[in-house]
Amino acid sequence: GESVGLHLPTLSVQEGDNSIINCAYSNSASDYFIWYKQESGKGPQFIIDIRSNMDKRQGQRVTVLLNKTVKHLSLQIAATQPGDSAVYFCAEKDTGRRALTFGSGTRLQVQP
Amino acid sequence: DTGVSQNPRHKITKRGQNVTFRCDPISEHNRLYWYRQTLGQGPEFLTYFQNEAQLEKSRLLSDRFSAERPKGSFSTLEIQRTEQGDSAMYLCASTRGLDTEAFFGQGTRLTVV
Repeated sequence: GESVGLHLPTLSVQEGDNSIINCAYSNSASDYFIWYKQESGKGPQFIIDIRSNMDKRQGQRVTVLLNKTVKHLSLQIAATQPGDSAVYFCAEKDTGRRALTFGSGTRLQVQP
Repeated sequence: DTGVSQNPRHKITKRGQNVTFRCDPISEHNRLYWYRQTLGQGPEFLTYFQNEAQLEKSRLLSDRFSAERPKGSFSTLEIQRTEQGDSAMYLCASTRGLDTEAFFGQGTRLTVV
């Protein structure tokens, strides 16, 4: 079936470095993508979203890149801070569905 | 707090018992979703409401599961005759529109012993 997955289950970076978290998706009909951050024991927290008519979107310290040709999504975090340590999920939706499909997550560990 | 609220935060129950969880969405959001999340996995869709109408149910939602949203505001998720495999985090999310960001609650962690 259609799925969303992540290349790296754990990413360890030094504080102050930039982080890049990658995600591959298989549903060519996906037209809406979201990145969520989830801290232990908490619900997913919205970070940034992007629609399929865009290839880049920037937020505060975060940038999402979408490559529809290869069905790849990435989240870039600038100047990573200890508070960024969490599990990050990408999620996608297509117009034929009402709910998001999530990947299995990447754990980001920020070393001081 | 104007976010999505879920109660209880934790529930421990014996196998075979019934449990009910509550979700209060963001007040102006008419779309409400229930998801289930097991350790190390992303949330999996269970069911979706638009106002009071339950418009979609996942095949994950067995006959022992039932969800309601009687007045189009809060929602409840009931699990009857709980099994150990039901142990998970149950998450509720709400959105204003179909393709807008979903805001999640803190979840209810269910442990079936």
